[in-house]
Amino acid sequence: DAGVIQSPRHEVTEMGQEVTLRCKPISGHNSLFWYRQTMMRGLELLIYFNNNVPIDDSGMPEDRFSAKMPNASFSTLKIQPSEPRDSAVYFCASSPLGTGNGKLFFGSGTQLSVL
Amino acid sequence: DQQVKQNSPSLSVQEGRISILNCDYTNSMFDYFLWYKKYPAEGPTFLISISSIKDKNEDGRFTVFLNKSAKHLSLHIVPSQPGDSAVYFCAASATGGYQKVTFGTGTKLQVIP
Repeated sequence: DAGVIQSPRHEVTEMGQEVTLRCKPISGHNSLFWYRQTMMRGLELLIYFNNNVPIDDSGMPEDRFSAKMPNASFSTLKIQPSEPRDSAVYFCASSPLGTGNGKLFFGSGTQLSVL
Repeated sequence: DQQVKQNSPSLSVQEGRISILNCDYTNSMFDYFLWYKKYPAEGPTFLISISSIKDKNEDGRFTVFLNKSAKHLSLHIVPSQPGDSAVYFCAASATGGYQKVTFGTGTKLQVIP
C-alpha cells in the first residue's frame, strides 16, 4: 500500500516567492494534517482537515499561509510570500476518522529552504 | 506554550543497555499518549501508545510508563540496539475532541555499538 505521498521532497526558493507543497493522503483516510518541524518547537500542527473540510487552522502562523483540500486525495499548503523564517520541514499526515487515538501516518516531508 | 515537553534534546547509550526517554505534559485533558520514532529524511512513525487508564504498556523491547499525578511519561528501550538510533517524539491527545495530537520537541537517541 502506498503511504502518504508528499512533493516536492526539497524546495529551495528566494524570499518573496510563492511556495506550494503537495500531499496525497492514504486512500480511505478521512483526516489530514499539516505539521511543521523546527528545532525550537518540534512538530507544530498547522491545520487539520476532516472529510476535506478545514476544522482547525489555529496553528497557521500568518495570512501568508493557506491550505486547501479540494478532494479526498489531494491537499496543498501554500506560502505567499515566503520568508527565511519559514524554512523548516513540512509534514503531511493522515488518519482514519474516529480510530487510532492519535495514530497518524506521516509522509516523508518537504524540506523547505527560503533564502 | 509547550504543552508537551521533552527536556533532553539528545541521549547517548551503549548497545545492550537501557535507554530511558522522558516526557512531561501540562494539559490535564490529555488522556492518550504516544511515542513516535523518526529516522533522517523520513516522516515520524508510530511506535507505542498508552491510555490514561493504564500506567504501563509493553511491546517487545519498548515499554511506556505513565505517571498521571506527575504528568510524566517515559519510554524504556531494553536492550538498546544501534538501529534504535533516531529522534523520538512524545505526543498526547485528548480523545474527547477531534484527535488533535500535540507533539514535543523530540529527543535524539544515539546507540553506540
